[in-house]
Amino acid sequence: GNSVTQMEGPVTLSEEAFLTINCTYTATGYPSLFWYVQYPGEGLQLLLKATKADDKGSNKGFEATYRKETTSFHLEKGSVQVSDSAVYFCALSAPPTGANSKLTFGKGITLSVRP
Amino acid sequence: DTAVSQTPKYLVTQMGNDKSIKCEQNLGHDTMYWYKQDSKKFLKIMFSYNNKELIINETVPNRFSPKSPDKAHLNLHINSLELGDSAVYFCASSTGLAGRWNEQFFGPGTRLTVL
Repeated sequence: GNSVTQMEGPVTLSEEAFLTINCTYTATGYPSLFWYVQYPGEGLQLLLKATKADDKGSNKGFEATYRKETTSFHLEKGSVQVSDSAVYFCALSAPPTGANSKLTFGKGITLSVRP
Repeated sequence: DTAVSQTPKYLVTQMGNDKSIKCEQNLGHDTMYWYKQDSKKFLKIMFSYNNKELIINETVPNRFSPKSPDKAHLNLHINSLELGDSAVYFCASSTGLAGRWNEQFFGPGTRLTVL
């Protein structure tokens, strides 16, 4: 079956530090990969996505590259801000597509950024 | 102008009771989902509906019964609540277009506490 593995958390960084959150996956078929973010007290929001190998998803200074050879989709940001404090989920969606598609999530990692 | 809304936001109830959570989306989407997030933030799909028809049912106890009166609404009814049902329940929706992955938009969640 499909699965997503994220590094263990929580992660605490100082403002302007470099962030890497590791994510690896196993999937049947050719998945699309995503990072979702959950700010305190809110639902999930799509942060970025990549739908084929070597694609780079980017948004709000965050980036992740779809690496088929290492089955990875690590999230990076060069300089984190206090407002980036949230829970980050790596997820995949493998065929079938359309109405039958479903997201498989990693366990999520809590990021806290200190001023 | 909320895209995906859920009611109630918080629900505290006794073991053995029956309760419902409601979800509505005004995005014109055809597909709706229920996800459960446990105390460790792990997210797992429960159900999905497409045009009022059940598509995905992920081995959820039959005490949980989703109902979709129309494609803009997907409600979740839970009978004989147990302590282990305590979680945050998220509703989501997507276009469900065939042959592609469709972004899922999440509601703010309903925090259910069973005492």
